[in-house]
Amino acid sequence: EPEVTQTPSHQVTQMGQEVILRCVPISNHLYFYWYRQILGQKVEFLVSFYNNEISEKSEIFDDQFSVERPDGSNFTLKIRSTKLEDSAMYFCASSEGLAINEQFFGPGTRLTVL
Amino acid sequence: GQQLNQSPQSMFIQEGEDVSMNCTSSSIFNTWLWYKQDPGEGPVLLIALYKAGELTSNGRLTAQFGITRKDSFLNISASIPSDVGIYFCAGQPELLKYSGGGADGLTFGKGTHLIIQP
Repeated sequence: EPEVTQTPSHQVTQMGQEVILRCVPISNHLYFYWYRQILGQKVEFLVSFYNNEISEKSEIFDDQFSVERPDGSNFTLKIRSTKLEDSAMYFCASSEGLAINEQFFGPGTRLTVL
Repeated sequence: GQQLNQSPQSMFIQEGEDVSMNCTSSSIFNTWLWYKQDPGEGPVLLIALYKAGELTSNGRLTAQFGITRKDSFLNISASIPSDVGIYFCAGQPELLKYSGGGADGLTFGKGTHLIIQP
Protein backbone atom coordinates (compact mmCIF):
# COMPACT_ATOMS: atom_id res chain seq x y z
CA GLU A 1 0.00 0.00 0.00
CA PRO A 2 1.46 3.40 -0.95
CA GLU A 3 2.55 5.57 1.94
CA VAL A 4 4.14 8.90 2.74
CA THR A 5 7.76 8.60 3.84
CA GLN A 6 9.85 11.11 5.77
CA THR A 7 13.54 11.53 6.52
CA PRO A 8 15.24 11.78 8.89
CA SER A 9 13.20 10.20 11.65
CA HIS A 10 15.04 12.30 14.24
CA GLN A 11 17.04 15.50 13.75
CA VAL A 12 19.00 17.20 16.51
CA THR A 13 20.32 20.69 15.83
CA GLN A 14 21.73 23.71 17.57
CA MET A 15 19.67 26.86 17.93
CA GLY A 16 20.22 29.16 14.96
CA GLN A 17 21.09 26.36 12.55
CA GLU A 18 19.17 25.61 9.37
CA VAL A 19 17.38 22.29 8.98
CA ILE A 20 15.73 20.65 6.00
CA LEU A 21 13.08 18.01 6.55
CA ARG A 22 12.29 15.73 3.65
CA CYS A 23 9.15 13.96 2.54
CA VAL A 24 8.16 11.73 -0.35
CA PRO A 25 4.37 12.02 -0.81
CA ILE A 26 2.20 9.28 -2.28
CA SER A 27 3.02 9.20 -5.99
CA ASN A 28 -0.35 10.10 -7.57
CA HIS A 29 -1.24 12.75 -4.99
CA LEU A 30 -1.32 16.38 -6.02
CA TYR A 31 -1.60 18.26 -2.71
CA PHE A 32 1.09 18.30 -0.06
CA TYR A 33 1.08 19.57 3.50
CA TRP A 34 3.29 20.12 6.50
CA TYR A 35 2.00 19.95 10.06
CA ARG A 36 3.73 20.09 13.41
CA GLN A 37 2.89 18.59 16.79
CA ILE A 38 4.54 19.89 19.92
CA LEU A 39 4.93 17.11 22.49
CA GLY A 40 1.60 16.27 24.12
CA GLN A 41 -0.38 18.75 22.05
CA LYS A 42 -2.63 18.65 19.00
CA VAL A 43 -1.51 18.56 15.40
CA GLU A 44 -1.20 22.05 13.88
CA PHE A 45 -1.34 22.96 10.20
CA LEU A 46 1.66 24.82 8.77
CA VAL A 47 1.33 24.98 4.98
CA SER A 48 -0.26 23.40 1.94
CA PHE A 49 1.33 23.18 -1.50
CA TYR A 50 -0.14 22.58 -4.94
CA ASN A 51 1.08 23.04 -8.47
CA ASN A 52 4.51 24.14 -7.26
CA GLU A 53 3.29 26.95 -5.08
CA ILE A 54 2.00 27.55 -1.58
CA SER A 55 -1.77 27.23 -1.44
CA GLU A 56 -2.38 28.21 2.16
CA LYS A 57 -0.29 28.86 5.25
CA SER A 58 -1.00 29.34 8.92
CA GLU A 59 0.29 32.09 11.19
CA ILE A 60 2.91 29.63 12.46
CA PHE A 61 4.49 29.51 8.99
CA ASP A 62 6.50 32.72 9.20
CA ASP A 63 9.52 33.90 7.19
CA GLN A 64 11.75 31.34 8.90
CA PHE A 65 9.94 28.56 7.06
CA SER A 66 9.97 27.67 3.40
CA VAL A 67 8.83 24.71 1.31
CA GLU A 68 10.04 23.37 -1.97
CA ARG A 69 9.46 20.54 -4.41
CA PRO A 70 12.99 20.30 -5.82
CA ASP A 71 12.25 17.33 -8.06
CA GLY A 72 9.33 15.13 -9.03
CA SER A 73 9.19 13.20 -5.80
CA ASN A 74 10.58 15.09 -2.79
CA PHE A 75 8.79 17.78 -0.80
CA THR A 76 10.91 19.67 1.72
CA LEU A 77 10.39 21.96 4.69
CA LYS A 78 13.27 24.29 5.55
CA ILE A 79 13.61 26.13 8.83
CA ARG A 80 16.15 28.85 8.28
CA SER A 81 17.30 29.63 11.81
CA THR A 82 15.89 27.22 14.35
CA LYS A 83 14.62 28.33 17.74
CA LEU A 84 14.11 26.25 20.87
CA GLU A 85 10.34 26.45 20.38
CA ASP A 86 10.65 24.78 16.95
CA SER A 87 11.25 21.47 18.74
CA ALA A 88 8.33 19.27 17.70
CA MET A 89 7.26 16.38 15.51
CA TYR A 90 6.87 17.52 11.92
CA PHE A 91 4.47 15.56 9.75
CA CYS A 92 4.18 15.62 6.00
CA ALA A 93 0.85 14.67 4.45
CA SER A 94 -0.54 14.34 0.96
CA SER A 95 -3.97 14.09 -0.60
CA GLU A 96 -5.24 13.03 -3.98
CA GLY A 97 -7.32 16.03 -4.94
CA LEU A 98 -9.29 19.05 -3.90
CA ALA A 99 -12.65 17.33 -3.52
CA ILE A 100 -11.16 14.31 -1.81
CA ASN A 101 -9.33 15.84 1.12
CA GLU A 102 -8.32 12.58 2.74
CA GLN A 103 -4.87 13.49 3.93
CA PHE A 104 -2.43 10.66 4.56
CA PHE A 105 0.33 11.36 7.01
CA GLY A 106 3.94 10.25 7.12
CA PRO A 107 5.62 8.86 10.26
CA GLY A 108 7.07 12.25 11.16
CA THR A 109 10.47 13.77 11.89
CA ARG A 110 11.23 14.55 15.51
CA LEU A 111 13.15 17.84 15.57
CA THR A 112 15.07 18.67 18.73
CA VAL A 113 16.62 22.13 18.96
CA LEU A 114 19.27 22.51 21.65
CA GLY B 1 -8.17 30.26 14.03
CA GLN B 2 -10.91 27.65 14.08
CA GLN B 3 -11.24 25.57 17.25
CA LEU B 4 -12.49 22.03 17.63
CA ASN B 5 -13.67 20.88 21.05
CA GLN B 6 -13.02 17.17 21.40
CA SER B 7 -14.30 15.13 24.33
CA PRO B 8 -13.66 13.29 26.43
CA GLN B 9 -9.99 14.11 26.91
CA SER B 10 -9.31 10.56 28.05
CA MET B 11 -11.21 7.33 28.54
CA PHE B 12 -10.41 4.37 30.76
CA ILE B 13 -12.44 1.36 29.68
CA GLN B 14 -12.50 -2.42 29.97
CA GLU B 15 -11.73 -4.59 26.97
CA GLY B 16 -14.95 -5.39 25.12
CA GLU B 17 -16.71 -2.16 26.02
CA ASP B 18 -18.03 0.27 23.45
CA VAL B 19 -16.46 3.72 23.14
CA SER B 20 -17.92 7.02 22.04
CA MET B 21 -16.16 10.33 21.49
CA ASN B 22 -17.17 13.53 19.75
CA CYS B 23 -16.05 16.83 18.35
CA THR B 24 -17.91 20.12 18.18
CA SER B 25 -17.20 23.43 16.56
CA SER B 26 -18.77 26.87 16.67
CA SER B 27 -18.48 27.12 12.89
CA ILE B 28 -19.52 24.94 9.96
CA PHE B 29 -17.16 22.30 8.62
CA ASN B 30 -17.16 20.85 5.09
CA THR B 31 -15.24 17.71 5.96
CA TRP B 32 -14.74 15.64 9.09
CA LEU B 33 -11.93 13.14 9.41
CA TRP B 34 -11.03 10.82 12.27
CA TYR B 35 -7.42 9.76 12.87
CA LYS B 36 -5.68 7.45 15.33
CA GLN B 37 -2.15 8.14 16.51
CA ASP B 38 0.12 5.67 18.29
CA PRO B 39 3.06 7.00 20.33
CA GLY B 40 5.88 8.32 18.15
CA GLU B 41 3.98 7.75 14.92
CA GLY B 42 1.97 9.77 12.45
CA PRO B 43 -1.83 10.01 12.48
CA VAL B 44 -3.53 7.19 10.59
CA LEU B 45 -6.77 7.99 8.79
CA LEU B 46 -9.72 5.94 10.04
CA ILE B 47 -12.83 7.49 8.50
CA ALA B 48 -13.63 10.46 6.24
CA LEU B 49 -17.04 12.17 6.14
CA TYR B 50 -18.17 14.66 3.50
CA LYS B 51 -21.93 15.20 3.82
CA ALA B 52 -24.14 16.37 6.67
CA GLY B 53 -25.87 13.38 8.22
CA GLU B 54 -23.48 10.89 6.63
CA LEU B 55 -22.92 7.76 8.71
CA THR B 56 -19.88 5.67 7.75
CA SER B 57 -18.45 2.46 9.17
CA ASN B 58 -14.99 0.95 8.99
CA GLY B 59 -15.06 -2.42 10.74
CA ARG B 60 -15.87 -1.81 14.41
CA LEU B 61 -15.65 1.95 13.91
CA THR B 62 -18.63 4.13 13.05
CA ALA B 63 -18.58 7.89 12.55
CA GLN B 64 -21.23 10.45 11.72
CA PHE B 65 -21.17 13.94 10.25
CA GLY B 66 -23.64 15.99 12.29
CA ILE B 67 -26.71 17.48 10.63
CA THR B 68 -25.73 20.99 11.72
CA ARG B 69 -22.25 20.42 10.17
CA LYS B 70 -20.75 21.58 13.45
CA ASP B 71 -20.13 18.22 15.06
CA SER B 72 -19.09 14.64 14.52
CA PHE B 73 -18.85 11.52 16.65
CA LEU B 74 -16.81 8.34 16.51
CA ASN B 75 -17.94 5.07 18.06
CA ILE B 76 -15.79 1.98 18.58
CA SER B 77 -17.64 -1.22 19.36
CA ALA B 78 -16.26 -4.15 21.37
CA SER B 79 -12.89 -2.55 22.09
CA ILE B 80 -9.71 -4.63 21.87
CA PRO B 81 -6.21 -3.91 23.24
CA SER B 82 -4.89 -2.59 19.90
CA ASP B 83 -7.50 0.19 20.01
CA VAL B 84 -5.33 1.94 22.60
CA GLY B 85 -4.03 5.26 21.34
CA ILE B 86 -5.02 8.87 20.78
CA TYR B 87 -7.96 9.59 18.51
CA PHE B 88 -8.14 12.95 16.78
CA CYS B 89 -10.99 14.55 14.94
CA ALA B 90 -9.99 16.89 12.14
CA GLY B 91 -11.99 19.04 9.82
CA GLN B 92 -11.93 21.51 7.02
CA PRO B 93 -13.83 24.70 7.92
CA GLU B 94 -16.22 26.05 5.32
CA LEU B 95 -14.93 29.61 5.50
CA LEU B 96 -11.41 28.92 4.27
CA LYS B 97 -10.68 29.82 0.66
CA TYR B 98 -9.09 27.48 -1.83
CA SER B 99 -6.49 30.03 -2.83
CA GLY B 100 -4.27 28.95 -5.68
CA GLY B 101 -6.54 26.04 -6.45
CA GLY B 102 -5.16 23.92 -3.66
CA ALA B 103 -6.72 22.26 -0.64
CA ASP B 104 -6.74 23.84 2.78
CA GLY B 105 -5.13 22.46 5.88
CA LEU B 106 -7.03 20.52 8.50
CA THR B 107 -7.95 21.82 11.93
CA PHE B 108 -7.38 19.17 14.58
CA GLY B 109 -9.03 18.56 17.92
CA LYS B 110 -6.92 18.03 21.03
CA GLY B 111 -7.46 14.30 20.99
CA THR B 112 -9.09 11.60 23.08
CA HIS B 113 -6.65 9.31 24.82
CA LEU B 114 -8.13 5.79 24.93
CA ILE B 115 -6.77 3.46 27.61
CA ILE B 116 -8.01 -0.12 27.87
CA GLN B 117 -7.70 -1.85 31.21
CA PRO B 118 -7.27 -5.63 31.18
